[in-house]
Amino acid sequence: GAVVSQHPSWVICKSGTSVKIECRSLDFQATTMFWYRQFPKQSLMLMATSNEGSKATYEQGVEKDKFLINHASLTLSTLTVTSAHPEDSSFYICSARDPEGEFYNEQFFGPGTRLTVL
Amino acid sequence: KQEVTQIPAALSVPEGENLVLNCSFTDSAIYNLQWFRQDPGKGLTSLLLIQSSQREQTSGRLNASLDKSSGRSTLYIAASQPGDSATYLCAVPSGSRLTFGEGTQLTVNP
Repeated sequence: GAVVSQHPSWVICKSGTSVKIECRSLDFQATTMFWYRQFPKQSLMLMATSNEGSKATYEQGVEKDKFLINHASLTLSTLTVTSAHPEDSSFYICSARDPEGEFYNEQFFGPGTRLTVL
Repeated sequence: KQEVTQIPAALSVPEGENLVLNCSFTDSAIYNLQWFRQDPGKGLTSLLLIQSSQREQTSGRLNASLDKSSGRSTLYIAASQPGDSATYLCAVPSGSRLTFGEGTQLTVNP
């Protein structure tokens, strides 16, 4: 099956700093990638849809200036948490859709990035 | 707006039992449904994807069914093992996005 990687797998940063998380599709080209956030004991909440070569589409309540998304190539999307605060501490998971895949709209998920803001 | 509900929220069973996890969704106009597994602190592993034209899908000890008209899906796990302990999530597409249920946390006791 299609493989999606994330880097880093975990990161600890000081309050006020910015953190960049990478999401890569390893064996397919993804025109669309998705960024989710998951708080402890809760399900995944979609933050934004990242489209290659165009601006991301953010879900209601997600600050686009705080969570910067760049999808500069067909295999890489990045999420930058700017001026991070402790309440941004969470598990961030990306997914990618393989347009040539067997199942339309099937999404493949990365292993997640644990962000802790001190 | 699509809403997905999973019952029960948590389940603890002895090893060897057969069990059923339930998922319901409010908007039946879906073209597929996915079941995922999530281990603590890890990402999602896709278990089964059922197309809207199918009624069930099987993979090893897992069997997932889909009843679009009633807005329900079940995940059946046969002969459960301690290694099956994880959180199981169902998700349905709304356009290009996925809407997830809250998950069922399964514990299989040796």
